[in-house]
Amino acid sequence: DGGITQSPKYLFRKEGQNVTLSCEQNLNHDAMYWYRQDPGQGLRLIYYSQIVNDFQKGDIAEGYSVSREKKESFPLTVTSAQKNPTAFYLCASTPGYGSSWPAGYEQYFGPGTRLTVT
Amino acid sequence: QKEVEQNSGPLSVPEGAIASLNCTYSDRVSQSFFWYRQYSGKSPELIMSIYSNGDKEDGRFTAQLNKASQYVSLLIRDSQPSDSATYLCAVNRRGNQFYFGTGTSLTVIP
Repeated sequence: DGGITQSPKYLFRKEGQNVTLSCEQNLNHDAMYWYRQDPGQGLRLIYYSQIVNDFQKGDIAEGYSVSREKKESFPLTVTSAQKNPTAFYLCASTPGYGSSWPAGYEQYFGPGTRLTVT
Repeated sequence: QKEVEQNSGPLSVPEGAIASLNCTYSDRVSQSFFWYRQYSGKSPELIMSIYSNGDKEDGRFTAQLNKASQYVSLLIRDSQPSDSATYLCAVNRRGNQFYFGTGTSLTVIP
């Protein structure tokens, strides 16, 4: 089955610890994204990547880091510098620029990771 | 001004009625528009995409786009209790970023 997987589903950490959230896709999509969702708020973009070894900051990148060493993987590290890390984290992907317009811009989401930091 | 605005609701409709969800966007160069359904505790699921002015129908769902008014809507006909969810509107300017509204909560009452 093609899709986006995120692990773990639930993650608990102590304050001051870094934590890495996994995102893998087997859709052969070029572009991948990380969002954060807080109760009553929309999705806020953390980082995105259009191609391997390249990524750009989104609106709330401070306290987060990413890597894109493989097309299918886009892990997110929540560092101890992130002031309020407890949230629902969503990974998404789109086919990317190599695909025909407009279907290349349909974005699909993984199941999410719920991170709680105490 | 927010990129994408939606009424947060909650919107309640009786089973079998038409639910109407609305969204406005601020940037005139936006070119693609999406509706996602998000059940409580789950991730968003893409249910409709629309790129041209007018209506697009898929089963019980109809998306309507009016670029002159910068307005996109989603109609759900014959609403079912299983349609109860939060509906997110998203836009893309043929670029890298997608902009999401905060969502409208819909409850379908049996």
